[in-house]
Amino acid sequence: GNSVTQMEGPVTLSEEAFLTINCTYTATGYPSLFWYVQYPGEGLQLLLKATKADDKGSNKGFEATYRKETTSFHLEKGSVQVSDSAVYFCALWHSSASKIIFGSGTRLSIRP
Amino acid sequence: DADVTQTPRNRITKTGKRIMLECSQTKGHDRMYWYRQDPGLGLRLIYYSFDVKDINKGEISDGYSVSRQAQAKFSLSLESAIPNQTALYFCATSDLDRGEQYFGPGTRLTVT
Repeated sequence: GNSVTQMEGPVTLSEEAFLTINCTYTATGYPSLFWYVQYPGEGLQLLLKATKADDKGSNKGFEATYRKETTSFHLEKGSVQVSDSAVYFCALWHSSASKIIFGSGTRLSIRP
Repeated sequence: DADVTQTPRNRITKTGKRIMLECSQTKGHDRMYWYRQDPGLGLRLIYYSFDVKDINKGEISDGYSVSRQAQAKFSLSLESAIPNQTALYFCATSDLDRGEQYFGPGTRLTVT
């Protein structure tokens, strides 16, 4: 069946450091892939998405590229800020399925 | 104004009490979802609905029931609350043919 595996946290970085949060998936065919962000005390927000192989999703300085050959969708940012501290969820949606599959989430903390 | 609203935002109740969590949306989406979030466990799907006449169980529906009163309203009930139902509950909506979901701010429920 479909599944998403993302790196366990927590991840703690200093401000302006480079960020990578790994995400791999298992699915048949060509799912859509998402990254969601949950800031403290809030619901999840869609951060970026990619709907086909080699697509790059980007938003707020974050990027992720849909890699079919490695079944991956790693989240990256070149220079993190304290305001990026949040929980990040990788997710998968297949048109044949009725719901999104979420990863377990990765908590990111940025030190000033 | 928020597109997806949840009431109440916080609730403390006693074991055995009946409680209802409400969700309303102004996005015009047909699909609505209820999730539960526990620390370290990510999101788990409780129930989902594709329209007013369509209700489906998710992965953890035992102890919960739902009502889809209108396209814009989807309520979650705990008929007899128990302490292990203490969690953060999220409502979400989505378009018919698109994977991304839009989340409410959450309800923090504590059962004592």
